[in-house]
Amino acid sequence: DGGITQSPKYLFRKEGQNVTLSCEQNLNHDAMYWYRQDPGQGLRLIYYSQIVNDFQKGDIAEGYSVSREKKESFPLTVTSAQKNPTAFYLCASMGSGSYTGELFFGEGSRLTVL
Amino acid sequence: AQKVTQAQTEISVVEKEDVTLDCVYETRDTTYYLFWYKQPPSGELVFLIRRNSFDEQNEISGRYSWNFQKSTSSFNFTITASQVVDSAVYFCAPPQGGSEKLVFGKGTKLTVNP
Repeated sequence: DGGITQSPKYLFRKEGQNVTLSCEQNLNHDAMYWYRQDPGQGLRLIYYSQIVNDFQKGDIAEGYSVSREKKESFPLTVTSAQKNPTAFYLCASMGSGSYTGELFFGEGSRLTVL
Repeated sequence: AQKVTQAQTEISVVEKEDVTLDCVYETRDTTYYLFWYKQPPSGELVFLIRRNSFDEQNEISGRYSWNFQKSTSSFNFTITASQVVDSAVYFCAPPQGGSEKLVFGKGTKLTVNP
């Protein structure tokens, strides 16, 4: 079935370590997004990509990095520079040139820093 | 960037009550689409509805209805005869009109008590 797969679902990390969250989609969508969700904060945009090999910073990009080497993949790295990385991370995609289309979301990855 | 404001952070109702979730949006586009998403406790956001800016007729789908008023930039969502299963966080998504950056609001957490 078509959709977005995020992994891992739960992740624990020690302070000072980098960690990479995977996001894969088989919907043939051009646009992909990473959001962070904290209790009471809603969804905050980290990075987004409209096309392969191109991406832009969202509102809270500091301490994060992404790559978009393949259309179907948009991994997010949470670096040690991120001051408060414990959060729920959601990846989403949207059809190309189709701003009429809805966002498809993955099930999310919950990162906890010990 | 396209933005939305959901002023209600949390709403608590008793089962069978009607409840309206407010959404005010900002956009520079003249043509755009609006969306609502539901986030149940499992975490994955689920698409509920899409409306285009040309159509201001109210839409009803079962117990759900949406009131779109372009003049006031509002796209409100009403649940009639609420049920416990409606308990979730509801997000009004930023208007999509060709802009790339989609900035969500904080969402409204709805709790329906038996």
